[in-house]
Amino acid sequence: DTGVSQDPRHKITKRGQNVTFRCDPISEHNRLYWYRQTLGQGPEFLTYFQNEAQLEKSRLLSDRFSAERPKGSFSTLEIQRTEQGDSAMYLCASSLEDGSTDTQYFGPGTRLTVL
Amino acid sequence: DAKTTQPNSMESNEEEPVHLPCNHSTISGTDYIHWYRQLPSQGPEYVIHGLTSNVNNRMASLAIAEDRKSSTLILHRATLRDAAVYYCILRDERAAGNKLTFGGGTRVLVKP
Repeated sequence: DTGVSQDPRHKITKRGQNVTFRCDPISEHNRLYWYRQTLGQGPEFLTYFQNEAQLEKSRLLSDRFSAERPKGSFSTLEIQRTEQGDSAMYLCASSLEDGSTDTQYFGPGTRLTVL
Repeated sequence: DAKTTQPNSMESNEEEPVHLPCNHSTISGTDYIHWYRQLPSQGPEYVIHGLTSNVNNRMASLAIAEDRKSSTLILHRATLRDAAVYYCILRDERAAGNKLTFGGGTRVLVKP
């Protein structure tokens, strides 16, 4: 078990470009979460998946953002037409929902800088 | 989600205990108290959680007030590796998905 991994770790892009991030959860974890963290703030929830179904989306997730989790394994988060305000750390977490309190395990994050 | 209040920062000396307070006066009966911490340049990591009784694990202890309106995370012997931002989070276990709602947390500085 290698933990949650995210790729890339860093991404610099120009305003207006599209970017895609990948998250590989801990194997057999059925829940996957995306959060965003700006400098000096705590992480903010964006969306979560139970297996392949996207069950909740935050109002922070504008129509420029889309997330997928095909086959309930890895997930991708795409941002279209990036804006400078999208600059942040994007964190992925996974957990195993088994009827008890599920602990979330976070990846190292992808730091996005929009120039 | 119920709100928590934590001091912005605390300092401690290495190998001394650290007591991190958290106020959650609007906690509901189904809210669990969770603590996560975030080391520099890393994602958050789980520390401990509890409902009503005090809890201990290898990382820390959680002391919960009898009325559940406050709690304290206790690091028994702080090390330099414990320098991090510590988040106190209430989570309603009835809610589907159980997303975490982070506040500003407490930044802990450990001095050698």
